[in-house]
Amino acid sequence: DTAVSQTPKYLVTQMGNDKSIKCEQNLGHDTMYWYKQDSKKFLKIMFSYNNKELIINETVPNRFSPKSPDKAHLNLHINSLELGDSAVYFCASSRTRGGLTGELFFGEGSRLTVL
Amino acid sequence: DQQVKQNSPSLSVQEGRISILNCDYTNSMFDYFLWYKKYPAEGPTFLISISSIKDKNEDGRFTVFLNKSAKHLSLHIVPSQPGDSAVYFCAAITGNQFYFGTGTSLTVIP
Repeated sequence: DTAVSQTPKYLVTQMGNDKSIKCEQNLGHDTMYWYKQDSKKFLKIMFSYNNKELIINETVPNRFSPKSPDKAHLNLHINSLELGDSAVYFCASSRTRGGLTGELFFGEGSRLTVL
Repeated sequence: DQQVKQNSPSLSVQEGRISILNCDYTNSMFDYFLWYKKYPAEGPTFLISISSIKDKNEDGRFTVFLNKSAKHLSLHIVPSQPGDSAVYFCAAITGNQFYFGTGTSLTVIP
């Protein structure tokens, strides 16, 4: 069983479209995250969500919005896609807020290509 | 502003030898450091961590060393095995925030 699963793994779409990436974790973790890995391989936090608290990286455009229907899911919605949004997006989860145990569990990544 | 840096994008080591991966950081408030390993088409997986109050943590073939005065972290793998070939990310935590380096691609040559 995959602990953190994301769908789709690959997504190719046109500029201006709206798309979503889904994430589910079956670890019973409290906190979930979205990371973006850009072309320079830099893993950058976008959001963290712990129960009812959403922490947003201030550099993330408001075209990106996380949606959490329940503790096990954190989906990423992107509106009006731009070329610069092309990247690999990783979902992750941790047992405690901030992952103070030091362990983030990552999904396999979703490669988004915007044409 | 990149607070965690891995200045070597790649490293090649013979099987059986020691692999040393390095990481530098700038923020003295980091209280926890971690190494993650990533295979192609997979997400990063946690490897080993160290608290800022320690200078060494060992787990099997993996040892992480922390030099707080130099703001330097290193991961030693000994002996290196071909299955260790992957990208290794250094990460640091302060508060709720994880900061990752850009990774070092390790190739262990049989």
